[in-house]
Amino acid sequence: DTAVSQTPKYLVTQMGNDKSIKCEQNLGHDTMYWYKQDSKKFLKIMFSYNNKELIINETVPNRFSPKSPDKAHLNLHINSLELGDSAVYFCASSLSIDTSYNEQFFGPGTRLTVL
Amino acid sequence: AQSVSQHNHHVILSEAASLELGCNYSYGGTVNLFWYVQYPGQHLQLLLKYFSGDPLVKGIKGFEAEFIKSKFSFNLRKPSVQWSDTAEYFCAVRVLGGSYIPTFGRGTSLIVHP
Repeated sequence: DTAVSQTPKYLVTQMGNDKSIKCEQNLGHDTMYWYKQDSKKFLKIMFSYNNKELIINETVPNRFSPKSPDKAHLNLHINSLELGDSAVYFCASSLSIDTSYNEQFFGPGTRLTVL
Repeated sequence: AQSVSQHNHHVILSEAASLELGCNYSYGGTVNLFWYVQYPGQHLQLLLKYFSGDPLVKGIKGFEAEFIKSKFSFNLRKPSVQWSDTAEYFCAVRVLGGSYIPTFGRGTSLIVHP
């Protein structure tokens, strides 16, 4: 059983298109995250949701819009894709945002290539 | 703002060599500390974590890390590396009472030659 799953694993698309990446966790966690990993492997937080509520929104272009239909899912929709959006996007989850003992579980990643 | 520094960006070792990867953070309060590993083409997996108690933490695959509060450090060690340890290693720090979102270091790329 995959704890944190993402679809698709690979996404190749043209500039200007709109695309979505889906994430689901079956761990019963309250908090979910989206990270972007660039070509230099730097891992940067984009968004965090706790119980379907947005709690962290880093300096991310508003072309990126997360949606959490329930606390087990956090999808990422990207409008008007640009070349610089090419990266690996990781979803993660953790028990609850403010629990003292809390670790993140990561999904397999979605490699997005914008042509 | 919270920051995490990993001093070694690229490390190349031969099998059986000892490994130490540095990690320092900037926050002086209560923290959770983590080391994650990312094997080529794979997602991040937790190697070990420190929440409280014994500052010497043992993780999977023979890795250990020592939390030295006075030095704001959480260095990762392994006495004898294997070719299969070739991967990217990330240190992360989570500040309790702050944003609670873990901040990751920039990662250290480890290559182990057989």
